[in-house]
Amino acid sequence: NAGVTQTPKFRVLKTGQSMTLLCAQDMNHEYMYWYRQDPGMGLRLIHYSVGEGTTAKGEVPDGYNVSRLKKQNFLLGLESAAPSQTSVYFCASSPLGTEWLLEAGANVLTFGAGSRLTVL
Amino acid sequence: GQSLEQPSEVTAVEGAIVQINCTYQTSGFYGLSWYQQHDGGAPTFLSYNGLDGLEETGRFSSFLSRSDSYGYLLLQELQMKDSASYFCAAGRTDSSYKLIFGSGTRLLVRP
Repeated sequence: NAGVTQTPKFRVLKTGQSMTLLCAQDMNHEYMYWYRQDPGMGLRLIHYSVGEGTTAKGEVPDGYNVSRLKKQNFLLGLESAAPSQTSVYFCASSPLGTEWLLEAGANVLTFGAGSRLTVL
Repeated sequence: GQSLEQPSEVTAVEGAIVQINCTYQTSGFYGLSWYQQHDGGAPTFLSYNGLDGLEETGRFSSFLSRSDSYGYLLLQELQMKDSASYFCAAGRTDSSYKLIFGSGTRLLVRP
């Protein structure tokens, strides 16, 4: 049982280059999220998805785009990388929302291992 | 706006008890979660409080007071392996159930 898998684990880009981070989950979770983590700033939500074909902006969406064409995959794209996007990126997923949440009482996120991106 | 405040660093001795506090200002708040993250690792879920009071899970307990917008994580019988960062996260009921994380508390357990 793989859980949440992120690829690649490490990447170095030059300013202006583009790239896509892939997140795949095998738990049939409805919700998926992309966070970035910078020293001293905790985890900040970039974009998220509440189901296949849906995406929404989080706290820090500028400079990123996402797609959720298949339920198990959530892609994070950088069209023109900037040094400010140097960070560790975490993908996470959680089970179905509303009804499940009210019943279970907690929106428990399962995180991937992270992708370390450096933009020169 | 929304924010969560927690201490940046806490140091304690092996075998002791430590409390990590978290205060929050979040619209549509529905509950407080705690996550643990070891250096180089992914955050993992520890505990959740949807109602006021104490939740106990083994050596870890978590507390919530909605009236005070305050919660804490209590770690007992500290072990060296508990050295990690601990994040509180507030759940919000806007158009979807997002989690907003605090900046984390780095716990160092000394022998």
